[in-house]
Amino acid sequence: LAKTTQPISMDSYEGQEVNITCSHNNIATNDYITWYQQFPSQGPRFIIQGYKTKVTNEVASLFIPADRKSSTLSLPRVSLSDTAVYYCLTRDSGAGSYQLTFGKGTKLSVIP
Amino acid sequence: DTAVSQTPKYLVTQMGNDKSIKCEQNLGHDTMYWYKQDSKKFLKIMFSYNNKELIINETVPNRFSPKSPDKAHLNLHINSLELGDSAVYFCASSQDGAGVGRYEQYFGPGTRLTVT
Repeated sequence: LAKTTQPISMDSYEGQEVNITCSHNNIATNDYITWYQQFPSQGPRFIIQGYKTKVTNEVASLFIPADRKSSTLSLPRVSLSDTAVYYCLTRDSGAGSYQLTFGKGTKLSVIP
Repeated sequence: DTAVSQTPKYLVTQMGNDKSIKCEQNLGHDTMYWYKQDSKKFLKIMFSYNNKELIINETVPNRFSPKSPDKAHLNLHINSLELGDSAVYFCASSQDGAGVGRYEQYFGPGTRLTVT
């Protein structure tokens, strides 16, 4: 079965750049890759979205290689408030169905 | 103003009961979703729906059904509740077509369902 995979957890010190990679081997053609942030007891919140190459906004950058089978969320100079779970979302074309699929989430812990 | 709201925030009920969770969005979006987040924090889409199309995740038991009285509301009905239904359920909306995933989704605060 097609899967969207990402590391379970990551630790980082404050002020460092953090890169979280998501693997989505069966991403549907023409579909976008979206990243969400979730704090405890809250719903996920949109961070960034892209289709190919690089996208940057005021909080993050998203790098997508030409084959689009993976994507990397980059958080510059993280702070304690960036401690959260980060999810990638794609539309998976595996098994003949096109299903919105979240990765299992990467728990980022920022250390003072 | 709350963009996507859900009620109730907490729901505790016994096995075999039938319950509903309500969702409302004031963003004018055409598409709404229901997600289930289990104890391991895995998010799984259950339904995506607009007035033209309902896309159902085939792994969702038919005890679960979405009902939309109008474009701003998508309620989740659950029949014959089971222990394994205990989870946090999130509603979301976007300006997408159903199941497309092109645009940002706005999530509600979640409903924690506990089945005893």
